[in-house]
Amino acid sequence: SQQGEEDPQALSIQEGENATMNCSYKTSINNLQWYRQNSGRGLVHLILIRSNEREKHSGRLRVTLDTSKKSSSLLITASRAADTASYFCATDGGGTYKYIFGTGTRLKVLA
Amino acid sequence: SAVISQKPSRDICQRGTSLTIQCQVDSQVTMMFWYRQQPGQSLTLIATANQGSEATYESGFVIDKFPISRPNLTFSTLTVSNMSPEDSSIYLCSGSGTTSRHNYNEQFFGPGTRLTVL
Repeated sequence: SQQGEEDPQALSIQEGENATMNCSYKTSINNLQWYRQNSGRGLVHLILIRSNEREKHSGRLRVTLDTSKKSSSLLITASRAADTASYFCATDGGGTYKYIFGTGTRLKVLA
Repeated sequence: SAVISQKPSRDICQRGTSLTIQCQVDSQVTMMFWYRQQPGQSLTLIATANQGSEATYESGFVIDKFPISRPNLTFSTLTVSNMSPEDSSIYLCSGSGTTSRHNYNEQFFGPGTRLTVL
């Protein structure tokens, strides 16, 4: 079963715009991770955010975490065509060390 | 970060046969996991590969169908047994808890094995 659900399921934007994806989860967590998956390929780790952190940045990526709402968001600023991919959040269910994945958001950036 | 490789990268198999997928990490990791990703879907955890003992399976997955080995801290195998077309998926290996990493809890993935069962 999936711990998290993401919305939107699919998102299509123009190059240069910002893309925001949301992840909601069900149980308490220690860590939440965001991944990118290009079509038919493996997962690329983007950011890990701990339960005591509220925001993290990495280049054009910004992740927020609201543990009271059991939700996280991934913002990609100034999107590029190369950002076209599926994005997944994964949560550890409170320190089990095994990560359960959300349903994913398919992002398409139009040139 | 640690690098994970998987072999084979893809395979096409006949119904009723078995395929063993190998996962190799370039550094020691505490935890290794196997996931399945069916076409157009998210990842589903199959099991945690435990070094020197039986794997821990998630609900819906059993050892007879997906036997797993983990002889050391850098290597694991997953066998998909008695395959049917429903087993057609991408199978991904992952690892976490490498002592050489800054973020101990970060989980990183291999490139996946794309399996097609005819």
